[in-house]
Amino acid sequence: AQSVAQPEDQVNVAEGNPLTVKCTYSVSGNPYLFWYVQYPNRGLQFLLKYITGDNLVKGSYGFEAEFNKSQTSFHLKKPSALVSDSALYFCAVRGPDSWGKLQFGAGTQVVVTP
Amino acid sequence: DTGVSQDPRHKITKRGQNVTFRCDPISEHNRLYWYRQTLGQGPEFLTYFQNEAQLEKSRLLSDRFSAERPKGSFSTLEIQRTEQGDSAMYLCASRSDGGNIQYFGAGTRLSVL
Repeated sequence: AQSVAQPEDQVNVAEGNPLTVKCTYSVSGNPYLFWYVQYPNRGLQFLLKYITGDNLVKGSYGFEAEFNKSQTSFHLKKPSALVSDSALYFCAVRGPDSWGKLQFGAGTQVVVTP
Repeated sequence: DTGVSQDPRHKITKRGQNVTFRCDPISEHNRLYWYRQTLGQGPEFLTYFQNEAQLEKSRLLSDRFSAERPKGSFSTLEIQRTEQGDSAMYLCASRSDGGNIQYFGAGTRLSVL
């Protein structure tokens, strides 16, 4: 069975400060890891993924994430947060032996204040 | 690329009624997924199609739920005899063969009164 944990319900950060959203996972075999963002009453927008290769993955809108196999983590980061980054962020994992279905964490609400 | 399209965006129904949602995936994406998202939770997998074949169903998909993808293009999700617990956002996603990214539609928000 695969699972994802996002330990923080909400992250508050001032505009211009670094933003980190935490994610840990559990999966059999090598994980496929994803970050999505959701704005109110909207579907999910893909931000970035880790399949293989470099542990530091760069994605859309200046976001990046670091895959850490020993800690089974995939934290999302942005060096300088914008007010427009305020949204709900989801980490997801796909096991290598599945049809591609994603297991999502419960989500982390990011609030960026001016 | 027009993205994944879902219809309707919102549906309000009375308990016991049947509802049907439609999903149009990205053109030529042969893999299609349905998820359900309740307030404060991440999306939960419901079912998966590869072309017209329904290859996996979650145990969340009770007998009242049925999904089809008759020609391997659009898909429908029907809920019979709706219950208040069915109130949720129903999300559809698609991806291509060999692709790893699932692209999501805007969802259908169902409210059962």
